[in-house]
Amino acid sequence: AQSVTQLDSQVPVFEEAPVELRCNYSSSVSVYLFWYVQYPNQGLQLLLKYLSGSTLVKGINGFEAEFNKSQTSFHLRKPSVHISDTAEYFCAVRVNTNAGKSTFGDGTTLTVKP
Amino acid sequence: DVKVTQSSRYLVKRTGEKVFLECVQDMDHENMFWYRQDPGLGLRLIYFSYDVKMKEKGDIPEGYSVSREKKERFSLILESASTNQTSMYLCASSFTGGTYNEQFFGPGTRLTVL
Repeated sequence: AQSVTQLDSQVPVFEEAPVELRCNYSSSVSVYLFWYVQYPNQGLQLLLKYLSGSTLVKGINGFEAEFNKSQTSFHLRKPSVHISDTAEYFCAVRVNTNAGKSTFGDGTTLTVKP
Repeated sequence: DVKVTQSSRYLVKRTGEKVFLECVQDMDHENMFWYRQDPGLGLRLIYFSYDVKMKEKGDIPEGYSVSREKKERFSLILESASTNQTSMYLCASSFTGGTYNEQFFGPGTRLTVL
């Protein structure tokens, strides 16, 4: 079975600073990797995904993530955050042979301060 | 625009009541999911369905049942609501294969059981 660990439950950062949200996973087979964002009182929406190919993937709102197979990591980065990036972020992994079920991390709350 | 809708944003019920949470998707997705979200615990899968009338237990199925009579609709049933089922409930759907294999989420139902 696969698992996901988000290494930081809370990340406070000042506006316009860079940020990295860390995600490690474990799986014995190939996986797809996702980052979702949840704004207050809303459902989750996809930020970006890694299926195959280039290990650096770019998503919406200026976010990007790098897949590192040897370190089994998929860290999310943004070079300069805005107040509007304040949200909860979830890393998820899906085994590419199953029926679509994903395993989610516990989430990281990003708080951007002025 | 793709859409997953949930029947209520907020719901208040009494202990022992039978509760129905409805989810509808308009994307012809095979897979549908019910999660509950609690602070610090991330998303926990209750049940999922990969086809009409098919269902599988997730990580925390106790106290819940589901119904999928039509492809677009997936219902979560609390047979006898209890206070420890007070939570945010999220529905999601996805395709099984291809490149569109991320999950699409509804806005959530915040259920309070008194």
